[in-house]
Amino acid sequence: DGGITQSPKYLFRKEGQNVTLSCEQNLNHDAMYWYRQDPGQGLRLIYYSQIVNDFQKGDIAEGYSVSREKKESFPLTVTSAQKNPTAFYLCASSVQGARGYGYTFGSGTRLTVV
Amino acid sequence: DQQVKQNSPSLSVQEGRISILNCDYTNSMFDYFLWYKKYPAEGPTFLISISSIKDKNEDGRFTVFLNKSAKHLSLHIVPSQPGDSAVYFCAASAGNTPLVFGKGTRLSVIA
Repeated sequence: DGGITQSPKYLFRKEGQNVTLSCEQNLNHDAMYWYRQDPGQGLRLIYYSQIVNDFQKGDIAEGYSVSREKKESFPLTVTSAQKNPTAFYLCASSVQGARGYGYTFGSGTRLTVV
Repeated sequence: DQQVKQNSPSLSVQEGRISILNCDYTNSMFDYFLWYKKYPAEGPTFLISISSIKDKNEDGRFTVFLNKSAKHLSLHIVPSQPGDSAVYFCAASAGNTPLVFGKGTRLSVIA
């Protein structure tokens, strides 16, 4: 079955630590995205990548980093510079040019700072 | 500055009646609009889309209407079912740019 997998589902981080959220897709999609959801805030774009070895900052990129070394994978690192990292993180992918079909989302990772 | 606005945080509808979810946008460059449905602790799932060259798109019980002059779109669900209870997000894009999402509307369908 084709899909997009995020792991882990729940993640706890101590203050000052970096953590990496995994996102893997086997849909052969070119583009991948990271969004963050906070209560009452909707989905806000962190980073996106439209092609391997290239990525762009979204609206709230500060304190985050990404890499896109393989088409299938787009990991997100939440660094200690991110002041308020507790949130629900969503990864998505899409086919370039097929705009009417939207994005396919993973099931999310809930990150909690303890 | 919010480019996509869903001004109703919540909506309650009786089973079998029509649900109407509204969305306004400010960016006149947006040319594709989508609706997503989301359950708690899950990723959003794509529901229906409309391009700016159309004013209506229908898929089963779901219809999206676009009023470009008013920069307004709406999602109609007829008839509403208890399984439709979820958070609905409106999203928009301009050209090849990433989707911009509204804050969502929580729909409760009461049996």
